[in-house]
Amino acid sequence: KAGVTQTPRYLIKTRGQQVTLSCSPISGHRSVSWYQQTPGQGLQFLFEYFSETQRNKGNFPGRFSGRQFSNSRSEMNVSTLELGDSALYLCASSLEPRGSGNTIYFGEGSWLTVV
Amino acid sequence: KNEVEQSPQNLTAQEGEFITINCSYSVGISALHWLQQHPGGGIVSLFMLSSGKKKHGRLIATINIQEKHSSLHITASHPRDSAVYICAPNTGNQFYFGTGTSLTVIP
Repeated sequence: KAGVTQTPRYLIKTRGQQVTLSCSPISGHRSVSWYQQTPGQGLQFLFEYFSETQRNKGNFPGRFSGRQFSNSRSEMNVSTLELGDSALYLCASSLEPRGSGNTIYFGEGSWLTVV
Repeated sequence: KNEVEQSPQNLTAQEGEFITINCSYSVGISALHWLQQHPGGGIVSLFMLSSGKKKHGRLIATINIQEKHSSLHITASHPRDSAVYICAPNTGNQFYFGTGTSLTVIP
């Protein structure tokens, strides 16, 4: 069974640009959550989607947004990129929402560098 | 304010040693996850605990809900255990993360 797939794996963007990252969950998983990891702040929760609805959102500015499609695939978008947005963006999927106690499975992440 | 305190930050052990990583948290949780991250970024969820103790092979995780404390133990450590271990309490609405423990096991 294929794992969580994130694309692209690596990308470089310029300040002010916008970026879209994609996440394909494990087949049958309906919950997708996104995380940002930086050396300074560590792992931080961005948002969670379940059945195309955003369930929870972390403390990030409105430049960070996401959506989930009917096939459970999810995208996150960051607009007006800042240097501080350089990070590893991780996606995770589970059968049900995170609070339900299901195991979560992480993708390999997308490394974003903003120059 | 740190909702999660993890210790130690760095740990070097000889192969075969018994290792303990500690996690204290201040939030009310529905479950707590222990995550393992190898160089390159990929994260694996090792355990999800809401009470008591769980064991997978050489790894044991315990949690004391009243004391808001969890520990991850590795018995007979091996160089392939070298990774960053992250404690992640889950309130159901929010996922908090410890800063991680970087473990190096020397042959």
